[in-house]
Amino acid sequence: GNSVTQMEGPVTLSEEAFLTINCTYTATGYPSLFWYVQYPGEGLQLLLKATKADDKGSNKGFEATYRKETTSFHLEKGSVQVSDSAVYFCALIPNTNAGKSTFGDGTTLTVKP
Amino acid sequence: EPEVTQTPSHQVTQMGQEVILRCVPISNHLYFYWYRQILGQKVEFLVSFYNNEISEKSEIFDDQFSVERPDGSNFTLKIRSTKLEDSAMYFCASTQATTHEQYFGPGTRLTVT
Repeated sequence: GNSVTQMEGPVTLSEEAFLTINCTYTATGYPSLFWYVQYPGEGLQLLLKATKADDKGSNKGFEATYRKETTSFHLEKGSVQVSDSAVYFCALIPNTNAGKSTFGDGTTLTVKP
Repeated sequence: EPEVTQTPSHQVTQMGQEVILRCVPISNHLYFYWYRQILGQKVEFLVSFYNNEISEKSEIFDDQFSVERPDGSNFTLKIRSTKLEDSAMYFCASTQATTHEQYFGPGTRLTVT
């Protein structure tokens, strides 16, 4: 079946540090890939997405590139802020009629001033 | 911008009671989903629904669970006899097509005592 593996957390960074959260996936075919962010006590917000190989999704300074050869979709940001503190989920939707999302375990990011 | 809404935001119920969680998907969407997230854990797929029937369900979605689209706008999740382990955040999602991004509602926090 499909699966998503995220780097283990929690991750603690100082403000303006560089962020990488690793995500690799297993799926048949070519799934669409997503990063969601969940702030404390809130729901899931789509952060960015990529629907085919070599696509780069970007939003609010975050980026992730769909790498088919390494089955990866790592999240990066050049300079994190305290307000980026949240839980980040990598997810995939397969290119089939099923369409259910498969999520990674989530990575908790804490940014200290 | 259209959004998925869910009610109530928080539901407290006693073990053994029935609960109905309500969702209003985005109006032109055709595919509907329920997910749950036990506190501090990953988001898990429960069920997908299309053309007024279940298209896929997970092993979590046992006989105690049911879904319905009673009036063409609402999409409900019923738990017939709640257990302590049903305590979780329940997210509804909808999409136009199965390979497109899913739009998530803000969630209903269910607490079973």
